[in-house]
Amino acid sequence: DIVMTQSPDSLAVSLGERATINCKSSQSVFYSSNNKNQLAWYQQKPGQPPKLLIFWAVNRDSGVPDRFSGSGSGTDFTLTISSLQAEDVAVYYCHQYYSLPRTFGQGTKVEI
Amino acid sequence: EVQLVESGGTLVQPGQSLRLSCAASGFTFSNFEMTWVRQAPGRGLEWISSITGGGSKNYADSVKGRFTISRDNAKDSLYLQMNGLRVEDTAIYYCVKDGWWYYNWGQGTLVTVFS
Repeated sequence: DIVMTQSPDSLAVSLGERATINCKSSQSVFYSSNNKNQLAWYQQKPGQPPKLLIFWAVNRDSGVPDRFSGSGSGTDFTLTISSLQAEDVAVYYCHQYYSLPRTFGQGTKVEI
Repeated sequence: EVQLVESGGTLVQPGQSLRLSCAASGFTFSNFEMTWVRQAPGRGLEWISSITGGGSKNYADSVKGRFTISRDNAKDSLYLQMNGLRVEDTAIYYCVKDGWWYYNWGQGTLVTVFS
């Protein structure tokens, strides 16, 4: 199984400041057949299901504000919120879809 | 618009069985792999099972042999038969339209296993 490890578990960021969340996979999730990393990021607010933010490690889903960006390749990935807004308070998860079983990071709680 | 509506969650005792359902709409159900993801209270996300449009199934080790995923393409419905429930199966169960990443999620149904 691919183990996904996020860091930190939680972070407090001032409004307008940058938030950076890291995700490390226990093996590469780069798929050579399509030259893409099989990694997604989700945002989950209390009482709601997760919402897709990023797929292929770097592609922002439609409607996602451009302050959210994904980077990285292979085993090391980052989700960056460039200027934190109040509505970004949530738990963020990385997710590998390279192989079964699909696995998620443990989550990172972002607070103001 | 894609909609996924789960039902069937309730309170049960250890060892009992439960069947969850997910009614899908807004897309050609038979063309898509479907997945169940669960989330224990205050915890993270756990993939537990997927089924392709043609009926090929996969399970997490934590539920293999106890849970059975199935689908009825004529009814646009996904199911999860859960047998031998354990306290640690307590969670919100989400129905997800698969497509490598998980774009569409239901609101979830809560299963509570208490002794």
